[in-house]
Amino acid sequence: DTGVSQNPRHKITKRGQNVTFRCDPISEHNRLYWYRQTLGQGPEFLTYFQNEAQLEKSRLLSDRFSAERPKGSFSTLEIQRTEQGDSAMYLCASSLAKGGDTGELFFGEGSRLTVL
Amino acid sequence: KQEVTQIPAALSVPEGENLVLNCSFTDSAIYNLQWFRQDPGKGLTSLLLIQSSQREQTSGRLNASLDKSSGRSTLYIAASQPGDSATYLCAVSSYSGAGSYQLTFGKGTKLSVIP
Repeated sequence: DTGVSQNPRHKITKRGQNVTFRCDPISEHNRLYWYRQTLGQGPEFLTYFQNEAQLEKSRLLSDRFSAERPKGSFSTLEIQRTEQGDSAMYLCASSLAKGGDTGELFFGEGSRLTVL
Repeated sequence: KQEVTQIPAALSVPEGENLVLNCSFTDSAIYNLQWFRQDPGKGLTSLLLIQSSQREQTSGRLNASLDKSSGRSTLYIAASQPGDSATYLCAVSSYSGAGSYQLTFGKGTKLSVIP
């Protein structure tokens, strides 16, 4: 399968714990995006990478959130000291783009987080 | 700030009907527009991408149009099937103000095709 892969698919954690999600993009794609989606809403932008550089972060991305893309390949999204409001689907997407454009985004199946 | 609205929020049609989903956006300075399909609890599947210089794109029973000047796009689904039941999301790529373009999504239209 050469699509975008996300792990784990589901994560249930207690408030205050740290969680980490992993995203493996389509291999030749230079852009990698993280979005968050809550029930009944469209995805909201969190951050994106051009190769290994994190170029933009949303105001939604508080200090408890950190994302990395070492070597411009897979990416991780870590949430520290989780809160119940962090419960959502975390979506990863990748694209092949030039300049400032997003290109055509291809999404993974998402990682659903439930904070108890 | 770009805002994307999708109407209706939900739609139920009998199998075989043709239908139109609507998407509007507030800032016409977009780079492209993308339609996605999302099944319950799943990720997004890209259906069609329309560049800002294009008027429409077609894929099988799907046809998407773009009127950038009026800030509107439509997704036309011909001869609907129960397997088309899903949420359809519209997203526009526009300047984020932070040096790059960003994809802004609507809330989606939940489609149910009744056998």
